[in-house]
Amino acid sequence: NAGVTQTPKFQVLKTGQSMTLQCAQDMNHEYMSWYRQDPGMGLRLIHYSVGAGITDQGEVPNGYNVSRSTTEDFPLRLLSAAPSQTSVYFCASSYSWGDEQFFGPGTRLTVL
Amino acid sequence: AQSVTQLDSQVPVFEEAPVELRCNYSSSVSVYLFWYVQYPNQGLQLLLKYLSGSTLVESINGFEAEFNKSQTSFHLRKPSVHISDTAEYFCAVTHTNAGKSTFGDGTTLTVKP
Repeated sequence: NAGVTQTPKFQVLKTGQSMTLQCAQDMNHEYMSWYRQDPGMGLRLIHYSVGAGITDQGEVPNGYNVSRSTTEDFPLRLLSAAPSQTSVYFCASSYSWGDEQFFGPGTRLTVL
Repeated sequence: AQSVTQLDSQVPVFEEAPVELRCNYSSSVSVYLFWYVQYPNQGLQLLLKYLSGSTLVESINGFEAEFNKSQTSFHLRKPSVHISDTAEYFCAVTHTNAGKSTFGDGTTLTVKP
C-alpha cells in the first residue's frame, strides 16, 4: 500500500493564480480531510469528506474548494491564491468516523 | 465545540531523562483522544490513542498517556527519552458523534545529548 499520497511536494504561485493540490489514498477509507499547518498554530481543518459525493466545510474553508468523485481521490482547489494561503497542506484519511488518521507527506505552498 | 490546549510549546530535555507533554481538552460531549508525532519534513503519524476502556494507553516505543476525565487531560509521558524522540507532538480530540478532529498547537520536544 502506498497509503496517502500528495502531489506536488512543493509549489510556488503568484497572487491570483489557481491550482489544485492532489490527494489519493489506496486504503479504501471513506473519510478524508484537508488541513493546513502554520507555525505555532497546529493543524486547522479546511474541508472534509465522509464519502464519495459528500463534502463539508471545516474551520478555515474560505478560498478553497473540494470535490470527491471517487473514494480514492480528494483534490483541494485554490481558486485565487493569496499570500495568506502560504502554508503546508496535509491530506489525511481514516477508516471510520473519529478513528486515527493517516497523513500524506504534505505540500509546501508559497504564494508570492 | 471542542478545543485542545498543549501547555508547553517547547520542551528541552537531556537524553535518558523522563518527559511529560501536557494536553488539556475541552468538550461538552464524549471524545476520542490521540497523540500524533511529526518528524521534520514529514506528515503526522499516530503515536497512541484512547477510544474507550483502560485509561492508560501505551505506544510501541515507550510512550504512554493517561486519560483523566475529571481533569480533562491526556498527558503524554516517557520515562527515558532518546535523541530519536526529537520531534513535534500533537494532541488531538475527536467528537465521537461528529468525527471532526481538533488539534493542539503542538509541542516541540528536543532531546539533547
